[in-house]
Amino acid sequence: AQSVTQPDIHITVSEGASLELRCNYSYGATPYLFWYVQSPGQGLQLLLKYFSGDTLVQGIKGFEAEFKRSQSSFNLRKPSVHWSDAAEYFCAVGVRNSGYALNFGKGTSLLVTP
Amino acid sequence: NAGVMQNPRHLVRRRGQEARLRCSPMKGHSHVYWYRQLPEEGLKFMVYLQKENIIDESGMPKERFSAEFPKEGPSILRIQQVVRGDSAAYFCASSQTSGYEYEQYFGPGTRLTVT
Repeated sequence: AQSVTQPDIHITVSEGASLELRCNYSYGATPYLFWYVQSPGQGLQLLLKYFSGDTLVQGIKGFEAEFKRSQSSFNLRKPSVHWSDAAEYFCAVGVRNSGYALNFGKGTSLLVTP
Repeated sequence: NAGVMQNPRHLVRRRGQEARLRCSPMKGHSHVYWYRQLPEEGLKFMVYLQKENIIDESGMPKERFSAEFPKEGPSILRIQQVVRGDSAAYFCASSQTSGYEYEQYFGPGTRLTVT
């Protein structure tokens, strides 16, 4: 079945530590890939996107993500986390020629400790 | 503010009442998408509209839910005879014209509570 999986429901990191959030997908066609961040009670903000080309993409707020076709993954990384990064992170997939709906994972909640 | 606007931000309805959620897309955007977020879940696509046209409603419940995007004014998501299971956050997103449909920008959401 087609799906987007974020294996980690909650992650806790210390401020200043590195971060990696995992995202795996299972779609047959070439996907368009996105990471969104949602602060409590807020809407979703687009962090970065991958359509084609260089598999390492840079986003806002110092985030980057790498598309690995062989692993069907699009993991989000940040070298040094700030307390303000605490939020819910969603991976989303769009499938070319299969409508324009984005398919979201269930999200990973990030807690940043002092 | 040139972002996607949604109102109201919070809406409380009793069972059986109607809920109307409004969405104004970003300036320059003509495509609107509605998503629903249930507690502890990711967002689920409901419907995709362009001005005066429903393009894809594959995620809309068959009954009680409808959406429109008139030539003038905001997009409206309408839920008739609400039930407790309709309690959720409803997000609207917008995108530019053809070729940019996947690049969707989200509004702050409307949090519907059915009592």
